[in-house]
Amino acid sequence: AQSVTQLGSHVSVSEGALVLLRCNYSSSVPPYLFWYVQYPNQGLQLLLKYTTGATLVKGINGFEAEFKKSETSFHLTKPSAHMSDAAEYFCAVSETPDKLIFGTGTRLQVFP
Amino acid sequence: DSGVTQTPKHLITATGQRVTLRCSPRSGDLSVYWYQQSLDQGLQFLIQYYNGEERAKGNILERFSAQQFPDLHSELNLSSLELGDSALYFCASSRQGGRGGYTFGSGTRLTVV
Repeated sequence: AQSVTQLGSHVSVSEGALVLLRCNYSSSVPPYLFWYVQYPNQGLQLLLKYTTGATLVKGINGFEAEFKKSETSFHLTKPSAHMSDAAEYFCAVSETPDKLIFGTGTRLQVFP
Repeated sequence: DSGVTQTPKHLITATGQRVTLRCSPRSGDLSVYWYQQSLDQGLQFLIQYYNGEERAKGNILERFSAQQFPDLHSELNLSSLELGDSALYFCASSRQGGRGGYTFGSGTRLTVV
């Protein structure tokens, strides 16, 4: 079965610093991969997704993620953190055409 | 506005009671998914419907049930409520299943007192 592991339930960075949120997946078939963001008291919002093609995927709000098959990773990065990036981030992999499997989430804190 | 509508936004009820949460999927989406999010359990998949039929079940308690109606809206029924059922309940919809990603509603916050 496919699964997702998010390393680090909490990540703290200073404003302007690099954001790196880690996600590793397991899959026996080519995966479809997603990053979602959840702001306080809101639903999950799609940040970006990888299906096929270019392995570097750009999303909203300056985030991007790179699919690395050899490392089974799909880490999320942003060059310079803003205070508004503070939220919870979820990585997800498509298990079957019907279902997404979500990771346990990483809470990002941004300090001034 | 994501296009997925959940009502009510907040619900406070007593233990032992029964509540119904409602979800209208994004226009054109046939699949509806229900998730429970709590501090200790994280995001838990409950159940999926596709075009009126149950497609997959996750960690859904027997006290909980759901259905999807011909107009594609869905309802999640929670009965014999316990304090531990207090959580955010999200509905999501999709057109292409998991491969296309899900669109989430803003959730219903249930508080059981």
